[in-house]
Amino acid sequence: EAQVTQNPRYLITVTGKKLTVTCSQNMNHEYMSWYRQDPGLGLRQIYYSMNVEVTDKGDVPEGYKVSRKEKRNFPLILESPSPNQTSLYFCASSLSVDLHTEAFFGQGTRLTVV
Amino acid sequence: DAKTTQPTSMDCAEGRAANLPCNHSTISGNEYVYWYRQIHSQGPQYIIHGLKNNETNEMASLIITEDRKSSTLILPHATLRDTAVYYCIVRVKRGANSKLTFGKGITLSVRP
Repeated sequence: EAQVTQNPRYLITVTGKKLTVTCSQNMNHEYMSWYRQDPGLGLRQIYYSMNVEVTDKGDVPEGYKVSRKEKRNFPLILESPSPNQTSLYFCASSLSVDLHTEAFFGQGTRLTVV
Repeated sequence: DAKTTQPTSMDCAEGRAANLPCNHSTISGNEYVYWYRQIHSQGPQYIIHGLKNNETNEMASLIITEDRKSSTLILPHATLRDTAVYYCIVRVKRGANSKLTFGKGITLSVRP
């Protein structure tokens, strides 16, 4: 089954403790991105990647890092999480960056930083 | 970025068609209209997209006006499981990026 898989689904952590949220897709998609969703603010793009070893900042990249060493994986790294990064995170992938290719989303990771 | 405007909420009876409107008056010629829905806090689910022609798939139909300034998503026979927030999005390409900009969406409530 074609899907985008995120792990973990839920995470509670403490301020400053590095964490990684994994994202994997099995559709051989080139384009992947991370979004965060907060009440009243909708989904905002954090980082995106056009292909292996090609990543760039989205609208709200501060406090996050990403890597794209393999086509299927696009982990989101929080080096020193802070409470304002408490949010619902979604990974998405699409065949390419072209406008006519639909994006598929993972099931989300609810992160709480205390 | 092309902005979309949707009503805040609407409801419809189960088994009836749900027509969800969207305005996107600033859309550019090569930008696509996408519809996604989100049930509770699950990942957004792709429904349909189009450029200028009407589109239909197993989930829904998308009607785009000739001037492309508005569109309507049609769920032909709404069920209780269609209760969700529906997002109308114009996918914009800026340089090497083509993000989806989600607004507040429209909350569809399907009543028995």
